Amino acid sequence: QAVLTQPPSVSGAPGQTVSISCTGGTSSTGAGYDVHWYQQFPRTAPKLLIYDNTHRPSGVPDRFSASKSGTSASLVITGLQAADEADYYCQSFDRSLRGWVFGGGTKLTVL
Amino acid sequence: QLHLQESGPGLVRPSETLSLTCAVSGGSITTTSYWAWIRQPPGKGLEWIGTLYSTGSTYYTPSLKSRLTISVDTSKNQFSLKLSSVTASDTAVYYCAILYSANWYSNWFDPWGPGALVTVSS
Repeated sequence: QAVLTQPPSVSGAPGQTVSISCTGGTSSTGAGYDVHWYQQFPRTAPKLLIYDNTHRPSGVPDRFSASKSGTSASLVITGLQAADEADYYCQSFDRSLRGWVFGGGTKLTVL
Repeated sequence: QLHLQESGPGLVRPSETLSLTCAVSGGSITTTSYWAWIRQPPGKGLEWIGTLYSTGSTYYTPSLKSRLTISVDTSKNQFSLKLSSVTASDTAVYYCAILYSANWYSNWFDPWGPGALVTVSS
């Protein structure tokens, strides 16, 4: 069972906006550790999508945004495109486990 | 921009040792300080396995700590993973990655290697 909790799946029609939540606890996200997001297409490696809660690496469209408050974080994708269909993972650090942790992943389906 | 590439046997027998190497290209591995392994069982999510710091310190996930060794060979620009006494539950795609550390509270994995599927089976 993943330390960070994500919904297993979300869906939306092209052009719509979807949000993916990521909830940790008092020893991870609630302890001030930043949340980072990855996008993974089938049979490929995850790619960094968001770092430090809100920052996009160069080349990531501004349709992708994220935020963090307390123990929870959210990834928001606006203007959904078919090409956004992928798995999305959040990641942080847990000081009780003394290690890095991932969410269970959320499968985004573009209807 | 650094590029990472995993290599190693794709099939390992139960009870034997899984060994993978991550070759770093596009620059010196010494320009980075933290090297990590992450795995993903078929159809499942990502699991952080361990991280090696350039100081020699290691962080291993508790469930694998007794079987896991991560090391680096800076002369070959690569780092490695060894997981002993494997079972079928260790079957996964294994990714190597650079852990970027902005500060104590901010650490993320980038870049990643393409991954290597390792199957544990007799």
